[in-house]
Amino acid sequence: DQQVKQNSPSLSVQEGRISILNCDYTNSMFDYFLWYKKYPAEGPTFLISISSIKDKNEDGRFTVFLNKSAKHLSLHIVPSQPGDSAVYFCAASEVGLTFGQGTILTVHP
Amino acid sequence: GAVVSQHPSRVICKSGTSVKIECRSLDFQATTMFWYRQFPKQSLMLMATSNEGSKATYEQGVEKDKFLINHASLTLSTLTVTSAHPEDSSFYICSARDFGRSSGRGEQYFGPGTRLTVT
Repeated sequence: DQQVKQNSPSLSVQEGRISILNCDYTNSMFDYFLWYKKYPAEGPTFLISISSIKDKNEDGRFTVFLNKSAKHLSLHIVPSQPGDSAVYFCAASEVGLTFGQGTILTVHP
Repeated sequence: GAVVSQHPSRVICKSGTSVKIECRSLDFQATTMFWYRQFPKQSLMLMATSNEGSKATYEQGVEKDKFLINHASLTLSTLTVTSAHPEDSSFYICSARDFGRSSGRGEQYFGPGTRLTVT
């Protein structure tokens, strides 16, 4: 049973445009959410997080939105850059982290 | 950010042997570390929570006798894959929380991972 889902396996975006990555969860006990970026054969790198008491958190080009009633969060990257191309995982925290399946983002020059 | 290292980065072993993977927090103390496993083209799966000075907490379906975890100090946790088999081949990643630096309880810093291949 997948408690955290990223339904889009891949996303392709033009440089300078907005990238929107989506994530849904089912466990209402999750109260902290995070986005990680990962390159092949490397560990994930933390990007941005949000507590369940907030609905938005912004850090530079990255903004995470949380809709608790819909159990949905999204990561917005604007403007997108070719260096952003990687696999993006959303994760939810109860004790350890539960990860989504990941979305491969490709930003074309 | 905080730095977590893993050693070795890659290991190839024969079936039936045991392999030890080390996870170290280099510039902070971690009372809790986590071990994850990632199969090709799949998400990371939490295997166990490693607690300094006490027994690890394993997730459902993870064999504690096969994946031995020892959190010997505030900066070191080890994962030993005992009697390894080809199906244990995977990418193993550890993480640690830096409570002194993290802005929230869920933020974790990950090691670079260890690729295990069992032949």
